[in-house]
Amino acid sequence: DAGVIQSPRHEVTEMGQEVTLRCKPISGHDYLFWYRQTMMRGLELLIYFNNNVPIDDSGMPEDRFSAKMPNASFSTLKIQPSEPRDSAVYFCASSLKTGPFNQPQHFGDGTRLSIL
Amino acid sequence: GNSVTQMEGPVTLSEEAFLTINCTYTATGYPSLFWYVQYPGEGLQLLLKATKADDKGSNKGFEATYRKETTSFHLEKGSVQVSDSAVYFCALDNNNDMRFGAGTRLTVKP
Repeated sequence: DAGVIQSPRHEVTEMGQEVTLRCKPISGHDYLFWYRQTMMRGLELLIYFNNNVPIDDSGMPEDRFSAKMPNASFSTLKIQPSEPRDSAVYFCASSLKTGPFNQPQHFGDGTRLSIL
Repeated sequence: GNSVTQMEGPVTLSEEAFLTINCTYTATGYPSLFWYVQYPGEGLQLLLKATKADDKGSNKGFEATYRKETTSFHLEKGSVQVSDSAVYFCALDNNNDMRFGAGTRLTVKP
Protein backbone atom coordinates (compact mmCIF):
# COMPACT_ATOMS: atom_id res chain seq x y z
CA ASP A 1 0.00 0.00 0.00
CA ALA A 2 1.24 3.47 -0.80
CA GLY A 3 1.81 5.56 2.26
CA VAL A 4 1.71 9.33 2.58
CA ILE A 5 3.81 10.78 -0.21
CA GLN A 6 5.58 14.10 0.17
CA SER A 7 7.56 16.07 -2.36
CA PRO A 8 10.17 17.27 -2.67
CA ARG A 9 12.28 15.32 -0.16
CA HIS A 10 14.80 18.13 0.01
CA GLU A 11 14.52 21.80 -0.89
CA VAL A 12 17.23 24.41 -0.73
CA THR A 13 16.38 27.95 -1.69
CA GLU A 14 17.30 31.53 -0.97
CA MET A 15 15.41 33.68 1.45
CA GLY A 16 12.58 35.65 -0.07
CA GLN A 17 11.66 32.89 -2.50
CA GLU A 18 8.32 31.13 -2.50
CA VAL A 19 8.39 27.53 -1.33
CA THR A 20 5.65 24.98 -2.02
CA LEU A 21 5.56 21.62 -0.26
CA ARG A 22 3.25 18.91 -1.51
CA CYS A 23 1.48 16.00 0.09
CA LYS A 24 -0.61 13.09 -1.14
CA PRO A 25 -2.44 11.43 1.77
CA ILE A 26 -3.40 7.78 1.97
CA SER A 27 -6.48 7.15 -0.10
CA GLY A 28 -9.63 7.10 2.01
CA HIS A 29 -8.19 9.04 4.93
CA ASP A 30 -10.38 11.86 6.18
CA TYR A 31 -7.80 13.90 8.03
CA LEU A 32 -4.61 15.55 6.85
CA PHE A 33 -2.05 17.21 9.11
CA TRP A 34 0.98 19.41 8.48
CA TYR A 35 3.79 19.42 11.06
CA ARG A 36 7.12 21.16 11.40
CA GLN A 37 10.05 19.58 13.21
CA THR A 38 13.11 21.44 14.49
CA MET A 39 15.71 20.68 17.11
CA MET A 40 14.70 23.69 19.16
CA ARG A 41 10.91 23.31 19.11
CA GLY A 42 10.40 19.62 18.42
CA LEU A 43 7.32 18.54 16.49
CA GLU A 44 4.71 21.27 16.02
CA LEU A 45 1.27 20.88 14.49
CA LEU A 46 0.74 23.67 11.96
CA ILE A 47 -2.71 22.95 10.55
CA TYR A 48 -5.08 20.09 9.92
CA PHE A 49 -7.91 19.41 7.50
CA ASN A 50 -11.00 17.25 7.74
CA ASN A 51 -12.61 16.28 4.45
CA ASN A 52 -10.52 18.96 2.69
CA VAL A 53 -11.70 21.73 5.02
CA PRO A 54 -9.17 23.47 7.31
CA ILE A 55 -10.24 22.88 10.90
CA ASP A 56 -7.49 24.34 13.05
CA ASP A 57 -4.72 26.57 11.73
CA SER A 58 -3.72 28.01 15.09
CA GLY A 59 -0.27 26.48 14.75
CA MET A 60 0.57 28.32 11.54
CA PRO A 61 3.39 30.63 12.61
CA GLU A 62 2.43 33.70 10.60
CA ASP A 63 0.77 34.99 7.48
CA ARG A 64 3.70 33.94 5.33
CA PHE A 65 2.44 30.37 5.74
CA SER A 66 -0.63 29.08 3.94
CA ALA A 67 -2.06 25.63 3.31
CA LYS A 68 -4.65 24.35 0.90
CA MET A 69 -6.37 21.08 0.18
CA PRO A 70 -8.16 21.39 -3.15
CA ASN A 71 -9.22 17.74 -3.17
CA ALA A 72 -9.02 14.59 -1.08
CA SER A 73 -5.76 13.44 -2.63
CA PHE A 74 -3.61 16.55 -2.54
CA SER A 75 -2.49 19.29 -0.19
CA THR A 76 0.09 22.06 -0.32
CA LEU A 77 1.92 24.08 2.29
CA LYS A 78 3.27 27.35 0.94
CA ILE A 79 5.73 29.80 2.46
CA GLN A 80 5.97 33.20 0.84
CA PRO A 81 8.36 34.88 1.35
CA SER A 82 10.64 32.30 2.96
CA GLU A 83 13.09 33.16 5.74
CA PRO A 84 16.11 31.27 7.16
CA ARG A 85 14.20 30.55 10.38
CA ASP A 86 11.72 28.51 8.35
CA SER A 87 14.41 25.87 7.84
CA ALA A 88 13.06 22.62 9.26
CA VAL A 89 11.68 19.25 8.31
CA TYR A 90 8.02 19.49 7.34
CA PHE A 91 5.86 16.40 7.71
CA CYS A 92 2.47 15.60 6.31
CA ALA A 93 0.32 12.95 7.98
CA SER A 94 -3.10 11.49 7.36
CA SER A 95 -5.57 9.43 9.34
CA LEU A 96 -9.00 7.90 9.23
CA LYS A 97 -11.85 9.57 11.04
CA THR A 98 -10.98 10.05 14.67
CA GLY A 99 -13.43 9.81 17.51
CA PRO A 100 -13.92 7.59 20.52
CA PHE A 101 -11.41 5.15 19.07
CA ASN A 102 -8.89 7.60 17.80
CA GLN A 103 -6.95 6.42 14.82
CA PRO A 104 -3.19 6.74 14.49
CA GLN A 105 -1.65 9.12 12.02
CA HIS A 106 0.44 7.91 9.11
CA PHE A 107 3.40 10.14 8.35
CA GLY A 108 5.23 10.85 5.15
CA ASP A 109 9.01 10.87 5.05
CA GLY A 110 9.09 14.65 5.28
CA THR A 111 10.55 17.51 3.29
CA ARG A 112 13.84 18.88 4.57
CA LEU A 113 13.75 22.60 3.86
CA SER A 114 16.82 24.81 4.00
CA ILE A 115 16.47 28.54 3.48
CA LEU A 116 19.79 30.26 2.85
CA GLY B 1 -5.29 21.72 28.32
CA ASN B 2 -3.84 18.59 26.78
CA SER B 3 -0.12 17.95 27.03
CA VAL B 4 2.49 15.20 27.07
CA THR B 5 5.72 15.12 29.03
CA GLN B 6 8.29 12.49 28.32
CA MET B 7 11.67 11.56 29.65
CA GLU B 8 14.46 13.69 28.29
CA GLY B 9 17.18 11.97 26.41
CA PRO B 10 19.42 10.97 25.06
CA VAL B 11 19.34 7.43 26.37
CA THR B 12 22.26 5.13 25.64
CA LEU B 13 22.02 1.41 26.38
CA SER B 14 23.95 -1.71 25.61
CA GLU B 15 22.36 -4.41 23.50
CA GLU B 16 19.99 -6.68 25.47
CA ALA B 17 19.51 -4.08 28.22
CA PHE B 18 16.07 -3.23 29.60
CA LEU B 19 14.46 -0.05 28.32
CA THR B 20 12.04 2.30 30.01
CA ILE B 21 11.03 5.67 28.60
CA ASN B 22 8.68 7.54 30.88
CA CYS B 23 5.65 9.43 29.59
CA THR B 24 2.98 11.27 31.53
CA TYR B 25 0.06 13.22 30.19
CA THR B 26 -2.47 15.86 31.11
CA ALA B 27 -5.88 15.73 29.52
CA THR B 28 -9.56 16.10 30.19
CA GLY B 29 -11.76 13.19 29.36
CA TYR B 30 -10.41 10.00 27.82
CA PRO B 31 -7.65 10.49 25.28
CA SER B 32 -6.07 7.80 23.19
CA LEU B 33 -2.36 7.33 23.79
CA PHE B 34 0.35 6.43 21.29
CA TRP B 35 4.03 5.76 20.97
CA TYR B 36 5.62 6.68 17.66
CA VAL B 37 9.15 5.90 16.50
CA GLN B 38 11.24 7.93 14.09
CA TYR B 39 14.25 6.42 12.34
CA PRO B 40 16.87 8.70 10.77
CA GLY B 41 15.64 10.44 7.64
CA GLU B 42 12.11 9.11 7.98
CA GLY B 43 8.74 10.22 9.26
CA LEU B 44 7.14 9.01 12.46
CA GLN B 45 5.71 5.51 12.49
CA LEU B 46 3.14 4.22 14.90
CA LEU B 47 4.73 1.79 17.33
CA LEU B 48 1.76 1.01 19.57
CA LYS B 49 -1.41 2.52 20.95
CA ALA B 50 -3.97 2.22 23.75
CA THR B 51 -7.44 3.69 23.66
CA LYS B 52 -8.72 3.23 27.21
CA ALA B 53 -7.55 2.82 30.77
CA ASP B 54 -5.65 -0.40 31.57
CA ASP B 55 -5.20 -1.22 27.88
CA LYS B 56 -1.76 -2.53 27.03
CA GLY B 57 -0.35 -1.70 23.63
CA SER B 58 2.42 -3.94 22.31
CA ASN B 59 4.47 -4.32 19.16
CA LYS B 60 7.94 -5.62 18.24
CA GLY B 61 8.68 -6.44 21.89
CA PHE B 62 7.72 -2.96 23.09
CA GLU B 63 4.89 -2.51 25.58
CA ALA B 64 3.06 0.36 27.27
CA THR B 65 0.08 0.31 29.63
CA TYR B 66 -2.47 3.12 29.84
CA ARG B 67 -2.53 4.04 33.54
CA LYS B 68 -5.26 6.54 34.23
CA GLU B 69 -4.57 6.68 37.96
CA THR B 70 -1.02 7.88 37.38
CA THR B 71 -1.74 9.50 33.98
CA SER B 72 1.19 7.59 32.52
CA PHE B 73 2.02 5.53 29.44
CA HIS B 74 5.60 4.38 29.95
CA LEU B 75 7.33 2.52 27.12
CA GLU B 76 9.24 -0.65 27.98
CA LYS B 77 11.22 -3.33 26.21
CA GLY B 78 12.92 -6.22 27.90
CA SER B 79 15.92 -6.56 25.60
CA VAL B 80 16.85 -3.81 23.17
CA GLN B 81 18.69 -4.30 19.90
CA VAL B 82 20.96 -2.02 17.92
CA SER B 83 18.15 -1.68 15.38
CA ASP B 84 15.96 -0.06 18.05
CA SER B 85 18.12 3.06 17.92
CA ALA B 86 15.72 5.87 17.01
CA VAL B 87 13.75 8.76 18.47
CA TYR B 88 10.60 7.79 20.38
CA PHE B 89 7.60 10.09 20.75
CA CYS B 90 4.76 9.73 23.21
CA ALA B 91 1.50 11.28 21.98
CA LEU B 92 -2.12 11.71 22.87
CA ASP B 93 -5.21 12.40 20.80
CA ASN B 94 -8.11 13.96 22.66
CA ASN B 95 -10.99 14.80 20.36
CA ASN B 96 -8.71 15.71 17.47
CA ASP B 97 -6.33 17.67 19.66
CA MET B 98 -3.10 15.80 18.93
CA ARG B 99 -0.12 16.45 21.19
CA PHE B 100 3.35 15.00 20.95
CA GLY B 101 6.07 14.82 23.55
CA ALA B 102 9.49 16.28 22.80
CA GLY B 103 10.91 12.91 21.78
CA THR B 104 13.58 10.73 23.41
CA ARG B 105 16.60 9.68 21.41
CA LEU B 106 17.67 6.10 22.10
CA THR B 107 21.05 4.76 21.06
CA VAL B 108 21.78 1.07 21.52
CA LYS B 109 25.42 0.00 21.37
CA PRO B 110 26.56 -3.49 20.44
